[in-house]
Amino acid sequence: NAGVMQNPRHLVRRRGQEARLRCSPMKGHSHVYWYRQLPEEGLKFMVYLQKENIIDESGMPKERFSAEFPKEGPSILRIQQVVRGDSAAYFCASSLTRPGQGAQPQHFGDGTRLSIL
Amino acid sequence: GQQVMQIPQYQHVQEGEDFTTYCNSSTTLSNIQWYKQRPGGHPVFLIQLVKSGEVKKQKRLTFQFGEAKKNSSLHITATQTTDVGTYFCAVPSNTGKLIFGQGTTLQVKP
Repeated sequence: NAGVMQNPRHLVRRRGQEARLRCSPMKGHSHVYWYRQLPEEGLKFMVYLQKENIIDESGMPKERFSAEFPKEGPSILRIQQVVRGDSAAYFCASSLTRPGQGAQPQHFGDGTRLSIL
Repeated sequence: GQQVMQIPQYQHVQEGEDFTTYCNSSTTLSNIQWYKQRPGGHPVFLIQLVKSGEVKKQKRLTFQFGEAKKNSSLHITATQTTDVGTYFCAVPSNTGKLIFGQGTTLQVKP
């Protein structure tokens, strides 16, 4: 019973480079959520996707950030032209059904710790 | 947008003492979830409360949902060093995202 799988666990990028973070949800889960956590802070919602669709991207910065969840393969969070302020832990979570349809817990991956030099 | 306030931000206790963290919302909540995050780890779902006045227990942990469904608390009896971590309340929105409280970081001195 594999849980939510995120890779890489740690990612180091120089300013201006691109960062790609991957997330495979739990088996049978079709709802994926991305959260960002700064040191000593709580988790901030970024985006919610269901297969091939972005459901809610209200937490995504308007520029440089994008997310996808293709029909086949993992969900990808992409950050272009990274800046020092992008350094954070990025967590992916998945759920079986969408909250509101009988709220289900979200299962989190181990996260990707992104460091920008 | 919807917000949930969580206090205290930090709590240091001696092993064996009790611990409580509180979450408050200005709006009525349909339900509330609680998560625990160990240092360096990821959030792990603990429980969900749905009914007004609901009380649920998990061993030394007691979760309460207020009568008005605007507040919730997590109480740990006789803390142990394994209880160390950050405890978050989270409110699911209609669009699917979880709105997290700021978290309460618990340190337990052996």
